[in-house]
Amino acid sequence: GQNIDQPTEMTATEGAIVQINCTYQTSGFNGLFWYQQHAGEAPTFLSYNVLDGLEEKGRFSSFLSRSKGYSYLLLKELQMKDSASYLCAVILNSGNTPLVFGKGTRLSVIA
Amino acid sequence: DTAVSQTPKYLVTQMGNDKSIKCEQNLGHDTMYWYKQDSKKFLKIMFSYNNKELIINETVPNRFSPKSPDKAHLNLHINSLELGDSAVYFCASSQGFDLNEQFFGPGTRLTVL
Repeated sequence: GQNIDQPTEMTATEGAIVQINCTYQTSGFNGLFWYQQHAGEAPTFLSYNVLDGLEEKGRFSSFLSRSKGYSYLLLKELQMKDSASYLCAVILNSGNTPLVFGKGTRLSVIA
Repeated sequence: DTAVSQTPKYLVTQMGNDKSIKCEQNLGHDTMYWYKQDSKKFLKIMFSYNNKELIINETVPNRFSPKSPDKAHLNLHINSLELGDSAVYFCASSQGFDLNEQFFGPGTRLTVL
């Protein structure tokens, strides 16, 4: 089966940095997405990683280690509007479920 | 302009009924998806479909069927609704299956009574 693990909840302070980890054990790997989902809204794309290393995009960065089955999303200079769920999703090579999501990490940013 | 739209936004119905949710994308994408997000916020793919291939998640009951009248539309039809079908259903689209950002619709909150 496919297994993607993320912490369920995290809390961080406005202006701080937070790292959200994602580990995966899947039958095949073709890349990894991070999505942001505010309560009651649709997921929106943040980043994707195919090769090992860090991808930076403004205040958000995502890291991937394929050999370790590990990724993280780094959020800098946290703002209140960053309070949301962050979903890690793995693109499989093939099969009946080409994209598998983790259960998401609910991040609360406090003043 | 809305990229991926779904109707209705809310759907409340009785057990045993048949209902459809419509999805349209104006991005020119060739691949569309249906996802189910349950009360625990777990997002699970149900179907992925392009002009050539329908991929069905084997755990999806056959009461659920996608119908695509053309490349820009992928509707979800549900027969004999059950209480456990209550969830938010998201449509999404992308260009190709792999390594491409998926754009999500706003979701349809289905409540089965």
